[in-house]
Amino acid sequence: DVKVTQSSRYLVKRTGEKVFLECVQDMDHENMFWYRQDPGLGLRLIYFSYDVKMKEKGDIPEGYSVSREKKERFSLILESASTNQTSMYLCASSFGAGELFFGEGSRLTVL
Amino acid sequence: EDQVTQSPEALRLQEGESSSLNCSYTVSGLRGLFWYRQDPGKGPEFLFTLYSAGEEKEKERLKATLTKKESFLHITAPKPEDSATYLCAPQGYNQGGKLIFGQGTELSVKP
Repeated sequence: DVKVTQSSRYLVKRTGEKVFLECVQDMDHENMFWYRQDPGLGLRLIYFSYDVKMKEKGDIPEGYSVSREKKERFSLILESASTNQTSMYLCASSFGAGELFFGEGSRLTVL
Repeated sequence: EDQVTQSPEALRLQEGESSSLNCSYTVSGLRGLFWYRQDPGKGPEFLFTLYSAGEEKEKERLKATLTKKESFLHITAPKPEDSATYLCAPQGYNQGGKLIFGQGTELSVKP
């Protein structure tokens, strides 16, 4: 089975802190994605990556950056966390144009 | 612009009461349409992929169908364990591996 592991299920950070969300997949998928999910807004794509060291902006990249130094790992970075970034963050991976496999999610609260 | 709308937003059923969830989409060149189940506080879990109008797929009490503009998720004789949010996500040929998610239908099945 495909396993996508997100490093933290719950995080509480303060405004202005730098936040790292880590995601690792074990199926050699070339595609990896970061979404955020908010009530009433659904899942929105922040960034995605088709290969190592490659990244492309999704629909809401402002305030975020990403890093993909190894194929299995895709990190989401909040350079200076703000309260409007309080959300559930979901990492996913896929092979080609196939189905996405999601991690369990990281619930971030910014105070 | 590619769009997806799911209805109803919420659906309450009695155990054994069959019903359908709707996913209406506008995508230029549909490659596939994906259905996911999401339990509270967890990441979405893949259910089905449909590729062409007229295609149907089944899994236990769930059956997904596809037309050129809509997809339906039929739930036959649901049980309380079917309670979850169901998400659909069409994928166009011009989107690479990305998925655009609907806001979901929150299904509650009461015993």
